[in-house]
Amino acid sequence: DTAVSQTPKYLVTQMGNDKSIKCEQNLGHDTMYWYKQDSKKFLKIMFSYNNKELIINETVPNRFSPKSPDKAHLNLHINSLELGDSAVYFCASSQDPTARAGEQYFGPGTRLTVT
Amino acid sequence: SQKIEQNSEALNIQEGKTATLTCNYTNYSPAYLQWYRQDPGRGPVFLLLIRENEKEKRKERLKVTFDTTLKQSLFHITASQPADSATYLCALRGGADGLTFGKGTHLIIQP
Repeated sequence: DTAVSQTPKYLVTQMGNDKSIKCEQNLGHDTMYWYKQDSKKFLKIMFSYNNKELIINETVPNRFSPKSPDKAHLNLHINSLELGDSAVYFCASSQDPTARAGEQYFGPGTRLTVT
Repeated sequence: SQKIEQNSEALNIQEGKTATLTCNYTNYSPAYLQWYRQDPGRGPVFLLLIRENEKEKRKERLKVTFDTTLKQSLFHITASQPADSATYLCALRGGADGLTFGKGTHLIIQP
């Protein structure tokens, strides 16, 4: 069984559109995250979500919004897509709620291309 | 500002030798440091975590050291194999309660 799964794996869309990426973890973890890996391979935290508490990285535009229907899911909604949003987006989860320690488990990534 | 520096240039090592990767950080006082492996087209995979009160941690052919005075961690792979070729990332606790990653070092083990 896949621990952290994401759909779709590839997403090609036009500027201005709204899209969503889904993430599910079957590890029973309390905390989930979204990361963005740009063309230079820098992996940056966007959000963490634990027990209905959302912590947002201050650099993330408010066009990005995570939605968690339950503890096992954290979806990423992106409004009014821009060219600069093209990147690989990774979902991750961890047991430790504050990330003070403990490894994170990453999904396979969603490659978003905005044309 | 907080920075994590890894040699992002490719590191070429002959099979069977020990590969040593470096992670330096500034403006952090981390309680722990983590190492991940990332293969092309895949998400990072956790390898090792070392805490501030630990000098060294081992797992099979992997060894990590952590020097909080030098603000440096070294990651060693002994008896390296071509299958060890990948990008290796070090990470510290960062913003939004997530991890802040270095850019990674691309390791190539040549047969």
